[in-house]
Amino acid sequence: QSVLTQPPSVSEAPRQRVSISCSGGSSNIAYNAVNWYQQFPGKAPRLLIYYDDQLPSGVSDRFSGSKSGTSASLAISGLQSEDEADYFCAAWDDTLTGWVFGGGTKLTVL
Amino acid sequence: EVHLVESGGGLVQPGRSLRLACEASGFTFDDYAMHWVRQAPEKGLEWVSGISWSGDTIHYADSVKGRFTISRDNAKKSLSLQMISLRAEDTGLYYCVKDSGITVAPTNGFDSWGQGTLVTVSS
Repeated sequence: QSVLTQPPSVSEAPRQRVSISCSGGSSNIAYNAVNWYQQFPGKAPRLLIYYDDQLPSGVSDRFSGSKSGTSASLAISGLQSEDEADYFCAAWDDTLTGWVFGGGTKLTVL
Repeated sequence: EVHLVESGGGLVQPGRSLRLACEASGFTFDDYAMHWVRQAPEKGLEWVSGISWSGDTIHYADSVKGRFTISRDNAKKSLSLQMISLRAEDTGLYYCVKDSGITVAPTNGFDSWGQGTLVTVSS
């Protein structure tokens, strides 16, 4: 059972917009930044969003992040088949004194 | 370009030990915190341990505390993970990960990952 809760899967049609939620608590998301990672099958994860809503260099602006209270969201607009991947949220947990990840969400582009 | 190359994985019996290593290049190693993150087969990501740029601050996940020891050698640009009393649930792909900052947390995320080294704990 992951500390951060994500839906196991989401799906949407090409060119549409999809959102992936990440629910946490007062010891993690509420007071610490949320980062998002993208992972393709058989590949290492890569940083997709940092500090809640910031895009690293080289990441498409079709990706965006937001946070409110103890929840965060990753949105992907203009869906493309190459966006099919697993997405993980992560945050520092002050109680556990460690990084915690969501269980991951598998995105399917229909 | 950042390169992180892990080694040391393999098949080990429960209760035995293993030492993982990570060789870093392409960045100023002692400017950044480093971590180990693992992924069990067909499962999600689990942070294992992190160490600050100087080695002064270290944190472990509860699941490995007392059994795993992280260390770094800035002169050799290397990161290590000594694992003892291994359990079946320690099985997974272990990634060496570069932090975007100097501390273990909170920071702006893990910005570079190695390809991982596979650890299998089984009799």
